[in-house]
Amino acid sequence: DAGITQSPRHKVTETGTPVTLRCHQTENHRYMYWYRQDPGHGLRLIHYSYGVKDTDKGEVSDGYSVSRSKTEDFLLTLESATSSQTSVYFCAISVGTTDTQYFGPGTRLTVL
Amino acid sequence: DAKTTQPNSMESNEEEPVHLPCNHSTISGTDYIHWYRQLPSQGPEYVIHGLTSNVNNRMASLAIAEDRKSSTLILHRATLRDAAVYYCILSREGDYKLSFGAGTTVTVRA
Repeated sequence: DAGITQSPRHKVTETGTPVTLRCHQTENHRYMYWYRQDPGHGLRLIHYSYGVKDTDKGEVSDGYSVSRSKTEDFLLTLESATSSQTSVYFCAISVGTTDTQYFGPGTRLTVL
Repeated sequence: DAKTTQPNSMESNEEEPVHLPCNHSTISGTDYIHWYRQLPSQGPEYVIHGLTSNVNNRMASLAIAEDRKSSTLILHRATLRDAAVYYCILSREGDYKLSFGAGTTVTVRA
């Protein structure tokens, strides 16, 4: 257990509404990540952060933005949710120089 | 990025060893070999990682070929709880990004 929590754990929203998912860690790790997982696609990196206010895009960043104003929190925002963003979202942190990652429990998002 | 190749699925009997192969013929000298697993309805879970030498921990063993072009994750005595998708991933030191493929789905028969 790397002290990672995600909120909310489940959310149902409507197309066009903004949604923010929160990832919280308790151990001050520098690197944090957001992934999405869909059937047939495995886990895909959306955005990651390498420090407060330092973020970069992953392979599927379109339609998503992130913010990290404190070491412990990494927020993922869907500015205007679409049905294609229905997915399970996982947050992760990286420990050490060999990039061992620990994952949160996931957030299941449904966009109607 | 160096890629890995794993079988789509494997079956095992409970309390028997499971050997999960992974090919990574384009691995570079600074690539670490990581294994993660994902149980149903859960997030991925770190299993083990190594660079050149074989590694053991409480969950599994990692056997790395001498030329590093392949590796094998060994679960010594499979339990029903080991039924999961197992991912073999290469990660370059300092790259801080993982790329997940489809993994190997392991089924454990009671």
